[in-house]
Amino acid sequence: DTGVSQNPRHKITKRGQNVTFRCDPISEHNRLYWYRQTLGQGPEFLTYFQNEAQLEKSRLLSDRFSAERPKGSFSTLEIQRTEQGDSAMYLCASSLAGAGANVLTFGAGSRLTVL
Amino acid sequence: DQQVKQNSPSLSVQEGRISILNCDYTNSMFDYFLWYKKYPAEGPTFLISISSIKDKNEDGRFTVFLNKSAKHLSLHIVPSQPGDSAVYFCAASGYGFGNEKLTFGTGTRLTIIP
Repeated sequence: DTGVSQNPRHKITKRGQNVTFRCDPISEHNRLYWYRQTLGQGPEFLTYFQNEAQLEKSRLLSDRFSAERPKGSFSTLEIQRTEQGDSAMYLCASSLAGAGANVLTFGAGSRLTVL
Repeated sequence: DQQVKQNSPSLSVQEGRISILNCDYTNSMFDYFLWYKKYPAEGPTFLISISSIKDKNEDGRFTVFLNKSAKHLSLHIVPSQPGDSAVYFCAASGYGFGNEKLTFGTGTRLTIIP
C-alpha cells in the first residue's frame, strides 16, 4: 500500500469555477477525513466518512462544498463557484475505526489557488 | 475559538541539544493527544501520542508529557538532529465513537542548527 493518495496535487482556477479533488485512502481504512489548511494555521476539520456514510460536517463546509464516498473507498471533495477565500491546502486522511481511530494517516494534500 | 494552542510559532535549537515544544488546550473533553510532523510539500506525519490516563509516553528520541490539571502537553526531542527540522503540530481528540476527529494547533516551526 502506498499510503493516502490525493489528486491533483495543485489546482489553479478562476473565481467562479468548480473544482474537484480526489482522495484514495489506505485500502483497509474505513474512516476518511477531509481537512483544510491555510497559511500559518493548523489543519481544520471539514468532514468525515465511515465507509460510505458521511458522519459529520463542520460549519466550515458551506453549501458550495460537497464530499462523497460512494462505495466506501475513494472520496471526492467538490467546491462549486470557487471564491478567493477557498485558496488553501485540502488534506485527506484515513484511519481504521476502533483502537486506532485517533491516529490519522494524511496524504500530501491538494493545493487550491483561486485567482 | 482556538481549542488547541501552540504559542511559539518558531524555535531554534542547536544540534545535539534538547528541543521542547509546548501545547495548551482548553477543552476538558479532550482525551487523546498527538504530535504530527510536517515537511514542506508533504502531509502531516504521525509522530507520537498519549492517552489522558498516562502522563508520559516515550518512543526513541521522542517523549510526550501530559499535565491534565494544567491542560498542557509538551514534546521533548533528545538529541535533536538536523532531520528534525520541520513544523510540529499538536492535536487532540475526544473519547468514544464519533469523537475521534483531530483538532490541531497552529504549529511550531523547529529549526535545528548544525
